[in-house]
Amino acid sequence: EAQVTQNPRYLITVTGKKLTVTCSQNMNHEYMSWYRQDPGLGLRQIYYSMNVEVTDKGDVPEGYKVSRKEKRNFPLILESPSPNQTSLYFCASSSMIRQGAREKLFFGSGTQLSVL
Amino acid sequence: AQKITQTQPGMFVQEKEAVTLDCTYDTSDQSYGLFWYKQPSSGEMIFLIYQGSYDEQNATEGRYSLNFQKARKSANLVISASQLGDSAMYFCAMREHVQGAQKLVFGQGTRLTINP
Repeated sequence: EAQVTQNPRYLITVTGKKLTVTCSQNMNHEYMSWYRQDPGLGLRQIYYSMNVEVTDKGDVPEGYKVSRKEKRNFPLILESPSPNQTSLYFCASSSMIRQGAREKLFFGSGTQLSVL
Repeated sequence: AQKITQTQPGMFVQEKEAVTLDCTYDTSDQSYGLFWYKQPSSGEMIFLIYQGSYDEQNATEGRYSLNFQKARKSANLVISASQLGDSAMYFCAMREHVQGAQKLVFGQGTRLTINP
């Protein structure tokens, strides 16, 4: 089954304790992205990757790191989490987009992070 | 400036009625794509419908249709014969191309409640 798998589903941590949210897709997609969802703000892009070893900042990259060592995996790293990073996080992937093409983003099931 | 605007934070509709969720967008691209996603209380993001900027006809997917008015830059989602299971958060999103990469920009969302 084609899917994007995120882990963990729920995570409670304390300020400053490094954490990693994993994301893996089995569709051989080149493009992967991380979003955070906050009430009243919709989803905002944190980082994205167009292929292995190619990553770039989205709209809200501060406080986050990513890596793309393998095509299928795109982990999100919070080196020193702070309470304002409490949010619902989504990983998403798609095949590379040609202009005018219809490829949609496939989303993971989300990670609810609470930083105390 | 907000690129995707959903002006209805919440809507309440009687079961079996049709409902229109508003979405306006702002872009200078000639080629772009518009998406609607549904997020039920379980949190996952479910793709509903897609409209390309060059599509001559409005997109339809079962009970979902997209009322695309390019000159007005609006892409409203119409749900016919609403059901209790349609109660969810709905997000409008626009795909734009930034330096060769795709970016999906989301609106703030509309929470739809279907009353029996």
